[in-house]
Amino acid sequence: VHLEQSGGEVKKPGDSLKIACTGSGYDFAHYWIGWVRQVPGEAMQWVGFIFPSDSDIRYSPSFEGHVTISADTSVSAAYLQWRSLRASDNGIYFCARVKTTFGLGARFWHFDFWGRGTLISVSS
Amino acid sequence: IVLTQTPLSLAVNPGQPASITCKSSRNLRHDNGKNLLCWYLQRPGQPPQLLIEETSVRVSGVPERFSGRVSGTDFTLQISRVEADDVGLYFCMQNIEIPLTFGGGTKLEIK
Repeated sequence: VHLEQSGGEVKKPGDSLKIACTGSGYDFAHYWIGWVRQVPGEAMQWVGFIFPSDSDIRYSPSFEGHVTISADTSVSAAYLQWRSLRASDNGIYFCARVKTTFGLGARFWHFDFWGRGTLISVSS
Repeated sequence: IVLTQTPLSLAVNPGQPASITCKSSRNLRHDNGKNLLCWYLQRPGQPPQLLIEETSVRVSGVPERFSGRVSGTDFTLQISRVEADDVGLYFCMQNIEIPLTFGGGTKLEIK
């Protein structure tokens, strides 16, 4: 399993941005893939994840409406997109493959493989 | 669900044990009997690596020196004998429900 992420970006508030994560070494379309933000000195934050095969998406309430997650199975890529960046979007964004488990009709997600991260810097 | 991780940092001599605690604001035990918490290690300059899932299940390739346990809502990661390769940021993550949430992290250093 390998997750290759696009390079770091330096942007201004109000700019748009789309970062990518390309998966290889596994059946990309049939594993959920997620995004996590890391800001130094703070706890990691789950952004959301997508099931590429049918584009089923789950967003964190903290990010829903501000970011868009998408995927393209033809190129085994997942994307995280902003229409209008804010300074508070600074951080390293990791993509990570999701391991899904089930129990008594419930579904659980956690991350088993991670990309190396994309550093986003937003500053005027 | 809030995960409070302690200590923030610790420095350990090689060969000595280390213990990290992650306290959950809510019960992470599902009706299926599993406590749904993972532990990750992020070595300097590296992406996080899954060490333990379901509180105590070591992922393939993770040394037996690493173990996890739970008492109520207090989760513990223990390293029986710390090695130089163990340095980095350890963090917990609950996965009993979304939004998934993380502990603040513990930085392990070698004395």
